[in-house]
Amino acid sequence: KAGVTQTPRYLIKTRGQQVTLSCSPISGHRSVSWYQQTPGQGLQFLFEYFSETQRNKGNFPGRFSGRQFSNSRSEMNVSTLELGDSALYLCASSLEVRTYEQYFGPGTRLTVT
Amino acid sequence: AQSVAQPEDQVNVAEGNPLTVKCTYSVSGNPYLFWYVQYPNRGLQFLLKYITGDNLVKGSYGFEAEFNKSQTSFHLKKPSALVSDSALYFCAVRDSGGSYIPTFGRGTSLIVHP
Repeated sequence: KAGVTQTPRYLIKTRGQQVTLSCSPISGHRSVSWYQQTPGQGLQFLFEYFSETQRNKGNFPGRFSGRQFSNSRSEMNVSTLELGDSALYLCASSLEVRTYEQYFGPGTRLTVT
Repeated sequence: AQSVAQPEDQVNVAEGNPLTVKCTYSVSGNPYLFWYVQYPNRGLQFLLKYITGDNLVKGSYGFEAEFNKSQTSFHLKKPSALVSDSALYFCAVRDSGGSYIPTFGRGTSLIVHP
């Protein structure tokens, strides 16, 4: 079974621009979560989707948004990029939320200049 | 608010010796606890979880963890460490009495010396 895939793997953007990251979960998984990983803050939860509905949202500004499609694929968008948004963005999928373990993708490395 | 603490940034152990990576948590309800491992240049991989039931949980690669409710701990253990176990280990918790948002610890770097 194919794992979680994320595209693109690397991205360089300029301050003020916006970016869209994509995630394809493991086949059959209906939940997708997004995380931001930085050396200073560690792994921080962004949001979690299940059956196209946002179930949870972390403590991030409204510039960060996401959505999930009917095939469980998910996208996250960051508008008006700031230097501090430079990070590894991880997507994780699971069968369902709460009690199920998550399977992580390789991440998208975003650099904002 | 829920939280997870991994008090050691780094743990060093000799190959063949037992290893322990510590994790403590704070939640308002019952915890759902997870351990993940991140190898260099690879994504996080699930090791084991505690949802309910037996306090000793066995997982992948010979790892196990013990849930201790009174000490609010969920330490990761392995009887005999391998050099290939060297990696970054993350503890995570979801609060069944809250929003179920997953919170991850800062991670512990395990270094197993030959």
